[in-house]
Amino acid sequence: AQSVTQPDIHITVSEGASLELRCNYSYGATPYLFWYVQSPGQGLQLLLKYFSGDTLVQGIKGFEAEFKRSQSSFNLRKPSVHWSDAAEYFCAVGEVANYGQNFVFGPGTRLSVLP
Amino acid sequence: DAGVIQSPRHEVTEMGQEVTLRCKPISGHNSLFWYRQTMMRGLELLIYFNNNVPIDDSGMPEDRFSAKMPNASFSTLKIQPSEPRDSAVYFCASSIEAIYGYTFGSGTRLTVV
Repeated sequence: AQSVTQPDIHITVSEGASLELRCNYSYGATPYLFWYVQSPGQGLQLLLKYFSGDTLVQGIKGFEAEFKRSQSSFNLRKPSVHWSDAAEYFCAVGEVANYGQNFVFGPGTRLSVLP
Repeated sequence: DAGVIQSPRHEVTEMGQEVTLRCKPISGHNSLFWYRQTMMRGLELLIYFNNNVPIDDSGMPEDRFSAKMPNASFSTLKIQPSEPRDSAVYFCASSIEAIYGYTFGSGTRLTVV
């Protein structure tokens, strides 16, 4: 069965510092990969996605993620964090097939930003 | 575009009462999803519809939960009777194609006392 792990439950970084959030998955093929962000009291917002092509993908708000097949990872990065980036981040993995679609969300990583 | 619209934003009800959550997906989106989010279990897919037809309801916890999508612009999730363990945030999401990701509503925070 497919699964998604986000090893870090909570990360704290200083404003202006770089950020990397980890996502690992267990899947038999090349899945569709997504990162979402959730601010308090809000729904999830799509940051970026990957399903083929260039393994380094750019998203909104200055985020990027790199798909590494050999490591089954899809880590999210940002070179300089802003205080407004404090939120919960979810990695999602799934497939689309004849039977429909099946996506699994990771447990999330909560990001705190120090001034 | 107003996005995915959920109502109510907050619902407090007594155990045993019926609860109905509502969702209006983005116009033109053909898939609709109901998720439940709790601290203990994270985000769980309850059910999803494609072109108004339920495709996968394996995540619906038990018969107390039911969902309908009578047309392309409206869906409901009903819990009858409600129990305190149903307390959670319920999200509705829609998409036009899975490869483009989902658009989530702001959620309904349900508290059953």
